[in-house]
Formats: sequence, structure tokens, C-alpha cells
Amino acid sequence: GQSLEQPSEVTAVEGAIVQINCTYQTSGFYGLSWYQQHDGGAPTFLSYNALDGLEETGRFSSFLSRSDSYGYLLLQELQMKDSASYFCAVRSNYGGATNKLIFGTGTLLAVQP
Amino acid sequence: EAGVTQFPSHSVIEKGQTVTLRCDPISGHDNLYWYRRVMGKEIKFLLHFVKESKQDESGMPNNRFLAERTGGTYSTLKVQPAELEDSGVYFCASSPLQLTSGRPGEQYFGPGTRLTVT
Repeated sequence: GQSLEQPSEVTAVEGAIVQINCTYQTSGFYGLSWYQQHDGGAPTFLSYNALDGLEETGRFSSFLSRSDSYGYLLLQELQMKDSASYFCAVRSNYGGATNKLIFGTGTLLAVQP
Repeated sequence: EAGVTQFPSHSVIEKGQTVTLRCDPISGHDNLYWYRRVMGKEIKFLLHFVKESKQDESGMPNNRFLAERTGGTYSTLKVQPAELEDSGVYFCASSPLQLTSGRPGEQYFGPGTRLTVT
């Protein structure tokens, strides 16, 4: 089967650093994406890792280890507006298609003052 | 550039009725996807169009769901007849073909249609 595991909730304070982990078990793995969703709205793309290592985009970084089927999203200098749900998603061709996203259950991040 | 739009934003229908959801992708995006999030659970893939062709419909729950993409532009998702378990938020997403532009893991999502079946 296809599954992605994330913590359900994480709480941190403004200015801190938080890491959201994702472990996956999927077929047809192409890469790991991260999406942010505010209040049930449109998920928005944050980052993508196709190869092992760290990708940095401003305050957000994402890491992938394909041998461990593991990745994480690192958020630095947390701001109140970062309070949202964060989803890891595997880009998969399982079933014959390309670019299909298999999502995790999401991590609700609460940033406190 | 206009984003992905979906209509309606909310729909409340009774069990057994029919509902049609519409998605307008970003202009020029040949890939179009439908996803669904049932309360508290993960966002699940339903199907994928490349232009007007169904590339993958492995996530469609059953034959009560019918998706079309006439002319390779907007898409509709019809649920007929609706059941209680069809309630959830239906998201549409689009992306350009890989060869032309775009980042592989990036899809542009619409705001979703919240469907409630009573």
C-alpha cells in the first residue's frame, strides 16, 4: 500500500525553529513535496526534493533521504502567520500515471507568541 | 495570472441528489487533477487529466463519480447519486507539462468545493 506518516500536531513559539518529519512507504517514488494549508483553503506549494539532501527556500528548508524513506520540513524564525497545516506528499507514478501526489495526513502547526 | 478557480465554493445536497463541481485550471496548464479531503483525513487523489484525456482515474471511488474535461480546458466532476460518505472538500489542481515549464513536485490548487451530503 501507499502511506505517509506525519505527526498530527506540533506547537512552537514565535522565533523558534520547528521540524516536521515525514516517513513514507509508496511505490513509484519520484520525489517529496511539501504543502501548506491555511484554514482549509487551497494547499500551496512550499518545496520539492527529488534527490537526497537539503533544499533551502528562505525560512523554509526541506530534506530527503531516499534510503530511509524519510524527509522533513524545517521552519526557521517562526512567525504567527506560519500557523497552518503542513502536508508532505509523494510524487508518484504508481498505477501508471505521472505527477500524482500521495498526501500524508497533515501536521497542524500552532505558533504561540 | 489568475489561479485555479472552483465552483461552487459550498454545496449542500440531500442523499440521492446529483451535484456537479467545476474547475477552471490556470490557462495553459495541460495537467489537471482532482483530489478529495474527507474530514480529518488525508487529501486523496481522484484522477488526472492530460489535456482532455484521462491519464489516471485509479482514485475514483466508484461509478457514481464521473469526471470530464471537454476541449482540455475546464473540468467537471459529477456525483450521481450522492451518498453521505461523499461529503468532504474537493480540490482541483493544475500544472504545466513537464517539458515546457514548472517544478516537478508543484501543483497549483484551487480553493476547493466543500460538499455536504445530508
